[in-house]
Amino acid sequence: ILNVEQSPQSLHVQEGDSTNFTCSFPSSNFYALHWYRWETAKSPEALFVMTLNGDEKKKGRISATLNTKEGYSYLYIKGSQPEDSATYLCLTGNGNKLVFGAGTILRVKS
Amino acid sequence: EAGVAQSPRYKIIEKRQSVAFWCNPISGHATLYWYQQILGQGPKLLIQFQNNGVVDDSQLPKDRFSAERLKGVDSTLKIQPAKLEDSAVYLCASSLVRALPTDTQYFGPGTRLTVL
Repeated sequence: ILNVEQSPQSLHVQEGDSTNFTCSFPSSNFYALHWYRWETAKSPEALFVMTLNGDEKKKGRISATLNTKEGYSYLYIKGSQPEDSATYLCLTGNGNKLVFGAGTILRVKS
Repeated sequence: EAGVAQSPRYKIIEKRQSVAFWCNPISGHATLYWYQQILGQGPKLLIQFQNNGVVDDSQLPKDRFSAERLKGVDSTLKIQPAKLEDSAVYLCASSLVRALPTDTQYFGPGTRLTVL
């Protein structure tokens, strides 16, 4: 059974704080890792797809890094805003079998 | 471009009743996924279609769940009879033709099912 772990489970930060969370996965037979943002009452939205060791992606204030040798990816948010409040999910796994982590719930207080 | 459509958005039923969810993927997307997301857990893949053929249904509880994708476009997921533990958000997603692990999945807003 594939084990994709996300930490922390939840995070409360103040507006303007920078924050980061982790997705850990089995490093053998890695193929791809996706980050999604899921706001309440909306559809999960794709942020990044990452495939290469050392990959770094950036979209506005959000960036992500990937280490396939040690089996983790970090998602960073610089200067958090209330609209960043959402559940952040990673989707990854072995070969063609992808599994979601349980997500990190981010709440940004203004 | 229109996104993935799902209906209904919310459904409340008694246990042992039946329920059906509908999904219309993005036009031209050959791959369609149904996920079940129970509170506190990540979405779990129930079934994956490539056009109107099933690619993976290994986690679909086949004694009570069924899904079809007639004509390779929209899809229906049915639960019959429902149990309390089926309370969850049911997400539909679609992706382009190849169904590779690198393909981005585009999600609908989900159906929140409550079984009483």
